[in-house]
Amino acid sequence: NAGVTQTPKFQVLKTGQSMTLQCAQDMNHEYMSWYRQDPGMGLRLIHYSVGAGITDQGEVPNGYNVSRSTTEDFPLRLLSAAPSQTSVYFCASRRQGGYEQYFGPGTRLTVT
Amino acid sequence: GQQVMQIPQYQHVQEGEDFTTYCNSSTTLSNIQWYKQRPGGHPVFLIQLVKSGEVKKQKRLTFQFGEAKKNSSLHITATQTTDVGTYFCAGTNTGNQFYFGTGTSLTVIP
Repeated sequence: NAGVTQTPKFQVLKTGQSMTLQCAQDMNHEYMSWYRQDPGMGLRLIHYSVGAGITDQGEVPNGYNVSRSTTEDFPLRLLSAAPSQTSVYFCASRRQGGYEQYFGPGTRLTVT
Repeated sequence: GQQVMQIPQYQHVQEGEDFTTYCNSSTTLSNIQWYKQRPGGHPVFLIQLVKSGEVKKQKRLTFQFGEAKKNSSLHITATQTTDVGTYFCAGTNTGNQFYFGTGTSLTVIP
């Protein structure tokens, strides 16, 4: 199993550009989530999904969209990038009823 | 909103010394998790605590959940260089949204 994969590993955007961060898992986990990690602030939940077709907002959802059309994939879309979105983004998954979250390797995003 | 505070932010110890990080929530939690993140890596799950007053051990690591389920601690006995990294707690009261602490970065001096 590859576990949780994320692409790209690194990305530089200009202010106003849009892009999609990809996340996929091959463990058939129902629950998936997106976090951002900023220095001194830990990880903050952006959006999460408890199954295909179901998404909900986390702690810091503004400026981000998600969709969950399949169990495996949970892309995160930045509609109009801002410098405040410079961060490391982690995708995580876990099975429903379980508790261990499996994290992907992360995407380091810089917005100039 | 829910807040999870973690102290200290940084800790430098000599190899062989003990280390403790503390986690405090502004609200009662249903459970709390602990993760370790190596430099440049991603968080890796260590353990989950669910019961009031629960204590769990993993080799040199001891995890505690407070009686009021609002605080937790991680204690490492006789640190080794392999313990280097940032330790995060993550609490929830819904099971869906986890609130991470700010983390404690541990440096072990050989």
